[in-house]
Amino acid sequence: EVLLVESGGGLVQPGGSLRLSCAASEFTFTNYWMHWVRQAPGEGLVWVARINEDGTYTTNADPVKGRFTISRDNSRNTLYLQMNRLRAEDTAVYYCATFGRQWLLSYWGQGTLVTVSS
Amino acid sequence: DVVMTQSPLSLPVTPGQPASISCRSTQSLVNSDGTTDLHWFQQRPGQSPRRLIYKVSWRDSGVPDRFSGSGSGTDFTLEISRVEAEDVGIYYCMQGTHWPHTFGQGTKLEIK
Repeated sequence: EVLLVESGGGLVQPGGSLRLSCAASEFTFTNYWMHWVRQAPGEGLVWVARINEDGTYTTNADPVKGRFTISRDNSRNTLYLQMNRLRAEDTAVYYCATFGRQWLLSYWGQGTLVTVSS
Repeated sequence: DVVMTQSPLSLPVTPGQPASISCRSTQSLVNSDGTTDLHWFQQRPGQSPRRLIYKVSWRDSGVPDRFSGSGSGTDFTLEISRVEAEDVGIYYCMQGTHWPHTFGQGTKLEIK
């Protein structure tokens, strides 16, 4: 069964940095785009960033542009999200997800909580 | 950004009764190849989202056939033919045609 396991969340002060990881297993990681989606407490789902199969193309949503960087290490089957200059409004559960080719699949991790507070 | 608007936002349903959720987008979700990347997700309390329907009307593996999706262009609907207690949660439509991909606000289904 496909498994996506996020880690790296925690409490960080405003202006600080954090790196999230998402370890993938039981599927061919290198075949698929990967995504980060977040959910603030009690709120809806918001796309954060996406990356193509070999890591050469990435796009970020406007709220995180210039602060967050998505990357992947295909040799380790791992997705990353480097988060810099964190703000209180970045507080959320961060999910990694993949949707296969042409959106024919859908797999999500269990999420990791990031809390930005002094 | 494409805005996805769901209605209703709250949906109390008696078990065994049908339920319907509407989703409208501010732009057409039809791709250049004719496909439409409109998907429906269910999020049960304390769980990660789970996709139910992809590309408007295709059920994901393991999804009960009481769930169905329909629509085209900018107007879409998720229907549950007979609601069961396990269907409690928040339902989101999501568009994958345009970047950034966007979700609707969510519809909270509760059992009466």
